[in-house]
Amino acid sequence: AQSVTQLDSQVPVFEEAPVELRCNYSSSVSVYLFWYVQYPNQGLQLLLKYLSGSTLVKGINGFEAEFNKSQTSFHLRKPSVHISDTAEYFCAVSDNDYKLSFGAGTTVTVRA
Amino acid sequence: NAGVTQTPKFQVLKTGQSMTLQCAQDMNHEYMSWYRQDPGMGLRLIHYSVGAGITDQGEVPNGYNVSRSTTEDFPLRLLSAAPSQTSVYFCASRKGREGFYEQYFGPGTRLTVT
Repeated sequence: AQSVTQLDSQVPVFEEAPVELRCNYSSSVSVYLFWYVQYPNQGLQLLLKYLSGSTLVKGINGFEAEFNKSQTSFHLRKPSVHISDTAEYFCAVSDNDYKLSFGAGTTVTVRA
Repeated sequence: NAGVTQTPKFQVLKTGQSMTLQCAQDMNHEYMSWYRQDPGMGLRLIHYSVGAGITDQGEVPNGYNVSRSTTEDFPLRLLSAAPSQTSVYFCASRKGREGFYEQYFGPGTRLTVT
């Protein structure tokens, strides 16, 4: 069974500053990795995913993530955030046993 | 396409009452699932279905029942509501049972049990 650890529960950041959200996972087999975003009072939507191939994955809204197999990490980054990036971000992993396991979430608050 | 729809958006129940949370998708997705979201705990899988007539338990199934009589609908039933079931519930669907497919989420149902 897989598990996901998001290392920061809250990340305050100033507008136009960079942000990095850290995610580590544990699994005994190859995995598929995802980042989802949840804006206030909404459902989750996919930001990006890693299935195979290039370890640097680009997603929507200027986000990117890097898969590091040796460190079992999948950190999310954005070089310059906007107020509209204020949201909760979830890292998730699946190892093809149908189930998608989520981390506890990281709340990003962008301040002017 | 409407995507994944959930009703109701909000619900207040008294302890011991039962109710059904509705979920429907119009994307002809094979796989559907129910999650609950609690602060600091992320999303936890309650039940899932890999096709019509096939359901299975997730990590927190106690107190909940599901059925999948059609591809489109996947209702979640609370048998006897308890305050511990106060949560936000999300239904999700994806094209196939394999884990590499993107999951699409409904807008959620916020449930309070008093």
